[in-house]
Amino acid sequence: GIQVEQSPPDLILQEGANSTLRCNFSDSVNNLQWFHQNPWGQLINLFYIPSGTKQNGRLSATTVATERYSLLYISSSQTTDSGVYFCAVDSGGGADGLTFGKGTHLIIQP
Amino acid sequence: EADIYQTPRYLVIGTGKKITLECSQTMGHDKMYWYQQDPGMELHLIHYSYGVNSTEKGDLSSESTVSRIRTEHFPLTLESARPSHTSQYLCASSLYGYTFGSGTRLTVV
Repeated sequence: GIQVEQSPPDLILQEGANSTLRCNFSDSVNNLQWFHQNPWGQLINLFYIPSGTKQNGRLSATTVATERYSLLYISSSQTTDSGVYFCAVDSGGGADGLTFGKGTHLIIQP
Repeated sequence: EADIYQTPRYLVIGTGKKITLECSQTMGHDKMYWYQQDPGMELHLIHYSYGVNSTEKGDLSSESTVSRIRTEHFPLTLESARPSHTSQYLCASSLYGYTFGSGTRLTVV
């Protein structure tokens, strides 16, 4: 099946810093989503972005489907940005459902 | 915005008990999913459904079972809970993007 690799696995930053999270995938995809999982375990959808660029406030994402990677940018980090960021893809072939990467554990220190 | 609901949010139960985790969505989506997640780890697909009377097993083997009698309802059942079933279970539905419920944290003692 499709492989999803996220980097870095862990990231510790000071409040106000900017960061870039990367997601590489091994095959063409019909769907790519970025999620934020908060300390209570809730999975919040950030972007549905199988290709192109989107922005939502301090967050933006870019997916280059032909080169099989996606980037999530967080600007002016706040402590509430802490948590785990997951990239997940759906190749559309074979078994259905999203395949998740192992996530990036982000800690924003005040 | 979150139109997919899971109950209970937390459950602590003894070994050997039968449990059902509830999942309901009001978006009219045909596709629904159950994922299992251990603390700090990635999510793994255990069941999915394309619509009423459709159920399939996911990539991760699970002793749980599911049913899809109504479009909006996709419950997950464990006939005899064991400590190895302790995990978080997340339900999702999709049209294009996926929407997840808040999850059920299950602890079997």
